[in-house]
Amino acid sequence: GAGVSQSPSNKVTEKGKDVELRCDPISGHTALYWYRQSLGQGLEFLIYFQGNSAPDKSGLPSDRFSAERTGGSVSTLTIQRTQQEDSAVYLCASSPRGDWTGELFFGEGSRLTVL
Amino acid sequence: AQKITQTQPGMFVQEKEAVTLDCTYDTSDPSYGLFWYKQPSSGEMIFLIYQGSYDQQNATEGRYSLNFQKARKSANLVISASQLGDSAMYFCAMREGGGNTGKLIFGQGTTLQVKP
Repeated sequence: GAGVSQSPSNKVTEKGKDVELRCDPISGHTALYWYRQSLGQGLEFLIYFQGNSAPDKSGLPSDRFSAERTGGSVSTLTIQRTQQEDSAVYLCASSPRGDWTGELFFGEGSRLTVL
Repeated sequence: AQKITQTQPGMFVQEKEAVTLDCTYDTSDPSYGLFWYKQPSSGEMIFLIYQGSYDQQNATEGRYSLNFQKARKSANLVISASQLGDSAMYFCAMREGGGNTGKLIFGQGTTLQVKP
């Protein structure tokens, strides 16, 4: 499809395990974002990639969280040594522009459950 | 620092009536964009409407309009002729220009329920 694709859609893991969440943005979109949404809550900004610029990592909650974007396209969010409080829906979004005028197009999210 | 505030956790509206969802923001950047997104129970994020800080007129998209009051730093969403399918969570968001280009920050959301 032409939208933002995220995988896996659901992930159940044990506390202490590492997980990787993948995001495939819309082709040609230069900006890519990761957000976290806990049940019934708002979207918490995690990290933002824009073109070849250094990513804005100001929202990452701890050093257990990291993300990379390869070739300006696919992005992977990695959570090391998962904790129960990491359980949430992780949303990826992309935008055709990195400036303040462009809307974000969201994927359907990856639901992470840490047991 | 940029900040978005939605003070209404939940709202009810009768079908076919209009409803206003409140949003206030704070920024020192003269260049910014304001967005509203809808999130139904299915979880997808649906873009509704956008207002730029330099836009002279309030944005409208079908039944959605944005009541932009720059001096008061408010960007309320007005939904006219509510429909049952409008029941969802609604988020206000802001992107700044300048040195913080691109980062989109969301408010906590307002849950809207449309009554038949």
